[in-house]
Amino acid sequence: NAGVTQTPKFQVLKTGQSMTLQCAQDMNHEYMSWYRQDPGMGLRLIHYSVGAGITDQGEVPNGYNVSRSTTEDFPLRLLSAAPSQTSVYFCASSPSGTRGEKLFFGSGTQLSVL
Amino acid sequence: AQRVTQPEKLLSVFKGAPVELKCNYSYSGSPELFWYVQYSRQRLQLLLRHISRESIKGFTADLNKGETSFHLKKPFAQEEDSAMYYCAFLSGSARQLTFGSGTQLTVLP
Repeated sequence: NAGVTQTPKFQVLKTGQSMTLQCAQDMNHEYMSWYRQDPGMGLRLIHYSVGAGITDQGEVPNGYNVSRSTTEDFPLRLLSAAPSQTSVYFCASSPSGTRGEKLFFGSGTQLSVL
Repeated sequence: AQRVTQPEKLLSVFKGAPVELKCNYSYSGSPELFWYVQYSRQRLQLLLRHISRESIKGFTADLNKGETSFHLKKPFAQEEDSAMYYCAFLSGSARQLTFGSGTQLTVLP
């Protein structure tokens, strides 16, 4: 039981490049979400999904896309990377019926945009 | 706007001393509040939630509606308590978790 798995752990991009951060969970959780962590700003919600085929925007969605074709996977796409997107990204999931009450986090992806 | 505020970015205490990490909330209605913790090289994880009124690893947090606070307390800090602590609350129709800016606690030997 791996929990929430994020790949890659580290990534360096050039401005304008696109990429996908992968997130997978093997706990059959319905709710999944993406946060970014910035110094002095805590964690801010980017996008979330309450189930396969359903996604919605969080606090800071601009520049990011998500999709949820399966219960297990919730990839985050950066369409055209900008230096302002340099951050640590966390994927999280929670058991059905609990939403954000008990989030299980991945280990994070540290992204640098040059 | 509904939010939680953690006024201290950094907090240092000596081992054995009491520790209090502050969290104030701005919320209309009855908030659902949590403390999450991130130890070095570990994943962010739930520490405790106010509705459970539990004590985890010696930590407690009481919801004070009069002061709109949810401070995290421990009477005798241990070096292994050194970590980043986030106060958070549930909000929105989808019940998303919104985090404060975090407090880095260092327990000195």
